[in-house]
Amino acid sequence: SYDLTQPPSVSVSPGQTASITCSGDKLGDRFVSWYHQRPGQSPVVVIYQDDKRPSGIPERFSGSNSGNTATLTISGTQPLDEADYYCQAWDNNYVIFGGGTKLTVL
Amino acid sequence: HVQLQESGPGLVKPSETLSLTCTVSGGSTTNFDWSWIRQPPGKGLEWIGYMYDSGRTSYNPSLKSRVTMSVDTSNDQFSLKLKYATAADTAVYYCARLGGGIAGVGAPPYFDFWGQGTLVTVSS
Repeated sequence: SYDLTQPPSVSVSPGQTASITCSGDKLGDRFVSWYHQRPGQSPVVVIYQDDKRPSGIPERFSGSNSGNTATLTISGTQPLDEADYYCQAWDNNYVIFGGGTKLTVL
Repeated sequence: HVQLQESGPGLVKPSETLSLTCTVSGGSTTNFDWSWIRQPPGKGLEWIGYMYDSGRTSYNPSLKSRVTMSVDTSNDQFSLKLKYATAADTAVYYCARLGGGIAGVGAPPYFDFWGQGTLVTVSS
């Protein structure tokens, strides 16, 4: 089976840049989506197909994917960005989620 | 604006079947893949499976022997049945739409709309 690995936690100061990684074997050959989930809420897609932002998602969210690592970057991080973040990819016709990263803004 | 709403029992006895329905409003169930995802308390997301309106399905291999999904396009609903429930199946269950493409055809879709989630507890 295919696995996606994320760091359990990342901390960032308000206004700084946060980077959350997602690692998998030759992940750059697959498309990656990213979701954020605030406590008690449903996940929301913030990046799809590696680097595309859905309408309504702020420009400070960006994504990249190369080699074995995909990265979600949040520029000018705001307190409201504090949430759990999950990467997601496909393994043939199966959906794979990473274990999630808790982003703390302090 | 598409909205999804899960419904079903919040408490299921061990060994019984967990059954949930997702009602889609503001859009149609045709021409999309529809999925179930769950999240045990305090843990991460686990994909359960998805189904296309034509009946094509894909299930998580770890759950495949116990899962059945169906779509009712006439009522814009889709459902999940998970047999032989155990305490390990206690989770918030989300229904979600796979948008931006069709699974297995071109660039892969992503989960663009989610329900609010419903907590299902498996306990006697």
